[in-house]
Amino acid sequence: DAGVTQSPTHLIKTRGQQVTLRCSPKSGHDTVSWYQQALGQGPQFIFQYYEEEERQRGNFPDRFSGHQFPNYSSELNVNALLLGDSALYLCASSWGQPQETQYFGPGTRLLVL
Amino acid sequence: AQKVTQAQTEISVVEKEDVTLDCVYETRDTTYYLFWYKQPPSGELVFLIRRNSFDEQNEISGRYSWNFQKSTSSFNFTITASQVVDSAVYFCALSVSNTGKLIFGQGTTLQVKP
Repeated sequence: DAGVTQSPTHLIKTRGQQVTLRCSPKSGHDTVSWYQQALGQGPQFIFQYYEEEERQRGNFPDRFSGHQFPNYSSELNVNALLLGDSALYLCASSWGQPQETQYFGPGTRLLVL
Repeated sequence: AQKVTQAQTEISVVEKEDVTLDCVYETRDTTYYLFWYKQPPSGELVFLIRRNSFDEQNEISGRYSWNFQKSTSSFNFTITASQVVDSAVYFCALSVSNTGKLIFGQGTTLQVKP
């Protein structure tokens, strides 16, 4: 049973560029959530996707956008990268109701120079 | 507003010692869920436990146990007879009913020395 997968594992970008991160949920899961984890901090909720719609959004600017595909996989896009966007980006999947347990992938480490 | 506080930033113990990680939460909702996750150096958050606000029974799973007390808004995690493999960052998290947002504490770094 495959767990949550994310790609790429590491990424280096420069300020002003755009980045796309990808996530495939655990088998049988239909909901994907994205989190940003700065060094030494707890993860911060970016948004959650269900049935290809953004179900809930955290306190992140519009530069952060996402998408969910019919196969439940998801993308996180960040435009106009800032140095402060450097972080570990975690994807989590769950099934059904919003409050169900979220299972996390290994994350994508993004470094913005 | 909802908040999770893990006051212990770092804990260091010697193998086989028992250790308790504290978690205090704040919410005005009556229906909510509490979680513990483990984050080893690889970075992936590993799910450990989920409790809902209506179930205050303590839970034991092997060397792990959890103490949920609504009266003090705490959800503490105890590792009995700690092992080196328990070394990781541990996060307590809260979600309220009908939201998919997990609110994490700052995490507690546990170092178990041989």
